[in-house]
Amino acid sequence: DTEVTQTPKHLVMGMTNKKSLKCEQHMGHRAMYWYKQKAKKPPELMFVYSYEKLSINESVPSRFSPECPNSSLLNLHLHALQPEDSALYLCASSDTGRTEAFFGQGTRLTVV
Amino acid sequence: DAKTTQPNSMESNEEEPVHLPCNHSTISGTDYIHWYRQLPSQGPEYVIHGLTSNVNNRMASLAIAEDRKSSTLILHRATLRDAAVYYCILRGLISNFGNEKLTFGTGTRLTIIP
Repeated sequence: DTEVTQTPKHLVMGMTNKKSLKCEQHMGHRAMYWYKQKAKKPPELMFVYSYEKLSINESVPSRFSPECPNSSLLNLHLHALQPEDSALYLCASSDTGRTEAFFGQGTRLTVV
Repeated sequence: DAKTTQPNSMESNEEEPVHLPCNHSTISGTDYIHWYRQLPSQGPEYVIHGLTSNVNNRMASLAIAEDRKSSTLILHRATLRDAAVYYCILRGLISNFGNEKLTFGTGTRLTIIP
């Protein structure tokens, strides 16, 4: 199984809502990533987890809260988002060695 | 992080080879060169990676300059399904735990002409 599965595929939420994005992989990868991608732009790194610990936070606003409950799961909790946070949110995983990263298909988030 | 520079866009005819260049003049000795591509409405997918020597796989070839300051992704026979944004990425070690950033540059949008 070489898949990274993200749910939901699409999400529409109001600015006062709380929602969560989920990401799952069963490749035994110990590094997991969240990216944000706006239209026609490259993915921007948000967070990196290594061995279930947050290792990189790219100065992401606190309304985005990552969580890694176990080595297979990665969540992104969303609260009080703004319309400009609307984007494609991508999850990825990789071994901590110099190997390829696998990306999910993303969650298309719209904040209204 | 070391940065990469790629042309914004390229066009190629179907069934012809495509050479996608990438400059990475500030690459460090431990950085691997990775290529990913992103098809429309999909997440990025891995294409190939290398350190110093040229690499081949079923999707493409990677030619790395001797000084490692540039590389070229070669698609030997482009098809319409190869139309995508191609990203050249340097994977740099940032901690003793082996955490590595995957930082995307602007990429090259490849158009295949039938």
